[in-house]
Amino acid sequence: EAGVTQSPTHLIKTRGQQATLRCSPISGHTSVYWYQQALGLGLQFLLWYDEGEERNRGNFPPRFSGRQFPNYSSELNVNALELEDSALYLCASSFASYGYTFGSGTRLTVV
Amino acid sequence: AQTVTQSQPEMSVQEAETVTLSCTYDTSESDYYLFWYKQPPSRQMILVIRQEAYKQQNATENRFSVNFQKAAKSFSLKISDSQLGDAAMYFCAYRKEANFGNEKLTFGTGTRLTIIP
Repeated sequence: EAGVTQSPTHLIKTRGQQATLRCSPISGHTSVYWYQQALGLGLQFLLWYDEGEERNRGNFPPRFSGRQFPNYSSELNVNALELEDSALYLCASSFASYGYTFGSGTRLTVV
Repeated sequence: AQTVTQSQPEMSVQEAETVTLSCTYDTSESDYYLFWYKQPPSRQMILVIRQEAYKQQNATENRFSVNFQKAAKSFSLKISDSQLGDAAMYFCAYRKEANFGNEKLTFGTGTRLTIIP
C-alpha cells in the first residue's frame, strides 16, 4: 500500500509569491490534514479536509487556503509569502478511525 | 481549546538504559485519544503508541510503554533498553472523540531524545 505522498519535496519561493503544495492520501482515506512545522517548533494545525469540505481551520491568516479534490487528494496554497512561512509542511490522512499516516513533508523556503 | 505540553525540550539517555518523556494535556472532554509520535531526521512522523482515555490499562508496544494518569491529565512515555535508532524528536498528541469519524490531532512542542553510545 502506498503511503501519503507529498510534492514537491523542497520548494524555494520569493517573498510575495504564491506556493502550492500537494498531498495524495492513502487509498480510501477521506480526511486530509495539513500541519506547519517551523524550525525547532512543534506541529501547528493548519487545515482539515474531509469528503471535499473544510472541517476545521487553525489560527492562520486567510492567505493560507486549500482544497480537497474528488479523489481525496489535497492542495495547500499560500499566497503573498512571507519569510516566516518558511517551514516544513506535513500532510496526514485518516479514515474514520484514530489512525493517522503522515507524509514526509514539503520543505518551503521563502527568500 | 485543548492544549498539549511537553516540558522537556531535550533529553539524553545511555544506550540500553531507560528514559521517560513527559507530557501533560488540558481538556474538558471525557473521551479522547492520546498518541506518541516519533520524528527522526527523515522527517517522517511515525506512530509509536496510542492510548484510549476510556481504557485504564496502560498501552505497551514492545520497548515502549505509557503511564496514563487521567485525573492528573498526564501521559508519559517510557522507552526501555534504549537503542541508537530511538534518537529522534518525540511528540505527544491529543485527539478528542469524534462524533462522525475523524478529528484533528493537537501536538505538543516535542522532546529531542539523544542516545549516548
